Amino acid sequence: NAGVMQNPRHLVRRRGQEARLRCSPMKGHSHVYWYRQLPEEGLKFMVYLQKENIIDESGMPKERFSAEFPKEGPSILRIQQVVRGDSAAYFCASSPPARARNSPLHFGNGTRLTVT
Amino acid sequence: KQEVTQIPAALSVPEGENLVLNCSFTDSAIYNLQWFRQDPGKGLTSLLLIQSSQREQTSGRLNASLDKSSGRSTLYIAASQPGDSATYLCAPRGGSEKLVFGKGTKLTVNP
Repeated sequence: NAGVMQNPRHLVRRRGQEARLRCSPMKGHSHVYWYRQLPEEGLKFMVYLQKENIIDESGMPKERFSAEFPKEGPSILRIQQVVRGDSAAYFCASSPPARARNSPLHFGNGTRLTVT
Repeated sequence: KQEVTQIPAALSVPEGENLVLNCSFTDSAIYNLQWFRQDPGKGLTSLLLIQSSQREQTSGRLNASLDKSSGRSTLYIAASQPGDSATYLCAPRGGSEKLVFGKGTKLTVNP
């Protein structure tokens, strides 16, 4: 049973380019969470999605950031026109649908974005 | 707004010692609390999940306790080993469904 898969592991983008981060949840999981970890900082919540729905995006920056979790395929975190301050590790976590709030979150190994 | 504090920020101990990591949180209205470890450059590994109705949860040499009313949790590690060296994170989960993380305790176990 594969864990949460994130790709790419490392991503380098120049300022102004777009970054797309992918997350495939564990098999049977339909809830996905994205977190960001800045250097020397704790993990900060960004967005919580279920299939085809954004449940909570209170942690998402108002501009340039978007997330989706389509019916088929992985969840995508998209950052447009990246800036140096977007350099961070982005982690995805998933949980099963049944009694999701009582289930542990399982995290992927993250995507480390570097903006040059 | 939930705030999580972990003390100490860093801890260095000799191999074999028993140790306690502390976590406090400001909003006691939580469903559960999860402890993780994070190795440098890696993702998070779930260690223990304590539901709000539980007081303790054990896995091998790890024991986590939860006092929801006082907003505290502790992670006890028995007979520490160099392989336990990592950053330990606690994360309560409240009504908004999301985990809120502390900054972690960086543990170094010296052989």
